[in-house]
Amino acid sequence: GENVEQHPSTLSVQEGDSAVIKCTYSDSASNYFPWYKQELGKRPQLIIDIRSNVGEKKDQRIAVTLNKTAKHFSLHITETQPEDSAVYFCAASTRGGNQFYFGTGTSLTVIP
Amino acid sequence: DTAVSQTPKYLVTQMGNDKSIKCEQNLGHDTMYWYKQDSKKFLKIMFSYNNKELIINETVPNRFSPKSPDKAHLNLHINSLELGDSAVYFCASSQGTSANTGELFFGEGSRLTVL
Repeated sequence: GENVEQHPSTLSVQEGDSAVIKCTYSDSASNYFPWYKQELGKRPQLIIDIRSNVGEKKDQRIAVTLNKTAKHFSLHITETQPEDSAVYFCAASTRGGNQFYFGTGTSLTVIP
Repeated sequence: DTAVSQTPKYLVTQMGNDKSIKCEQNLGHDTMYWYKQDSKKFLKIMFSYNNKELIINETVPNRFSPKSPDKAHLNLHINSLELGDSAVYFCASSQGTSANTGELFFGEGSRLTVL
């Protein structure tokens, strides 16, 4: 099956700085790469996703980049705010949506 | 309206007991999942059902038995509970096609504590 690796496991940044989280995947058939944010005690929720036919996608302060050749994708958060503090998960899914495999999570702390 | 709902939210029980967690989605999705999130926050897929049929069973002990009476429901029954079963169990659903994968929606989670 798919193997998704995520780094770093913890990340602390000063408010206003940028944060970058990186993931790699193993299955070349994976074609959908969502990012989920999980606040303490809450469910994971989708914040941004990218499909294999594009290399970059941006939504306000967050952006995701995808390098299919190298099989890696990254989440970029600019101008971080304290409310960005959470655990972030990357995931990879194959065509058909029956399989989602998650990275091990990154605990982001934004220091005011 | 809650898109993916699961009950109970909290469950505390003794080792050796049998318990069930129920999940329902009102999104009309064809695929439902159970994920286990342990104390280290890892989200590990356990089962995936598509239109009531088992698609994925990821090296889960056979003490765990999912049941899907219809495509809107996926329940999880656990026999002979062990300490290591303590975790948060998330139900999720998605709607994918052969060409595109749809967003994965999670329920609120069920925190199981085995004493």
